[in-house]
Amino acid sequence: QVQLQESGPGLVKPSETLSLTCTVSGGSVGSGRYYWSWIRQAPGKGLEYIGYIYDSGSTKYNPSLKSRVTISLDTSKKQFSLKLSSVTAADTAVYYCAKGKGDYWGQGTLVTVSS
Amino acid sequence: QAVVTQEPSLTVSPGGTVTLTCGSSTGAVTSGHYPFWFQQKPGQVPTTLIYDTSNKHSWTPARFSGSLVGGKAALTLSDAQSEDEAEYYCLLSYSGVLLFGGGTKLTVL
Repeated sequence: QVQLQESGPGLVKPSETLSLTCTVSGGSVGSGRYYWSWIRQAPGKGLEYIGYIYDSGSTKYNPSLKSRVTISLDTSKKQFSLKLSSVTAADTAVYYCAKGKGDYWGQGTLVTVSS
Repeated sequence: QAVVTQEPSLTVSPGGTVTLTCGSSTGAVTSGHYPFWFQQKPGQVPTTLIYDTSNKHSWTPARFSGSLVGGKAALTLSDAQSEDEAEYYCLLSYSGVLLFGGGTKLTVL
C-alpha cells in the first residue's frame, strides 16, 4: 500500500517561494512506471491540478501556473517536491501530493500566504 | 485554456439513480481525455472512483459507474445511499495537461 506525506512550511510570505516535499513509502519511485502529482484546494473551493513529474523526470504543468511552478524528483530519497514562486494570498490552499492522477493521496498540508 | 464543466449541484433520493456529467469547452469528451472521477466528503481527502472513463478501483462501490454520454463523461450512481452525499470532481487530460471540473455537490435527500 503506497503512502504519501507532504511536508513543508505552513506559512509563507507574499512574493516568496512556497516549497513542499512529498515522501513516498510502500512503493517504488523512479522505476519508470509512474508519475507523481501536486494538487491544491483553496479554502471552500474546488480542486486545482498543479502539475506532475514522471519517474523519468519529465514534467507537465497547469498552464495557469506554469511560469511559477517547478516539480522535481529525488529517487534516492523517494521524494518529489513542489516550488511555487512569487506567491500571493490566492495561493493559500491545502496542497496535496498524489501518485499518478490521484490513485493515492497524501493527507494534504495547509499553506497560508500572509505577511 | 480549456474549461471543464460540471453541474454545480444535484439532488437524488435514497435508492434513486443520478448521472453527473463532465463536459469540455473544446468539444466532445472522448476516451482520449481519460476521464477520472473523484469523490470528496467534507474535511476528507479526495478518493478516486473511476479512471480512464469507466474503470473502477478495488474500493469503488459497485453502484458507481463511468461512461461517455452525449459528448460528455458521465458518472452514474445507482441505488444512492446517504453516505454518497459528497462533492464529485471530474478530471480530463488535454495532451497531458490535466484539468479539474468545478465539482458537483450531490445531495441525497
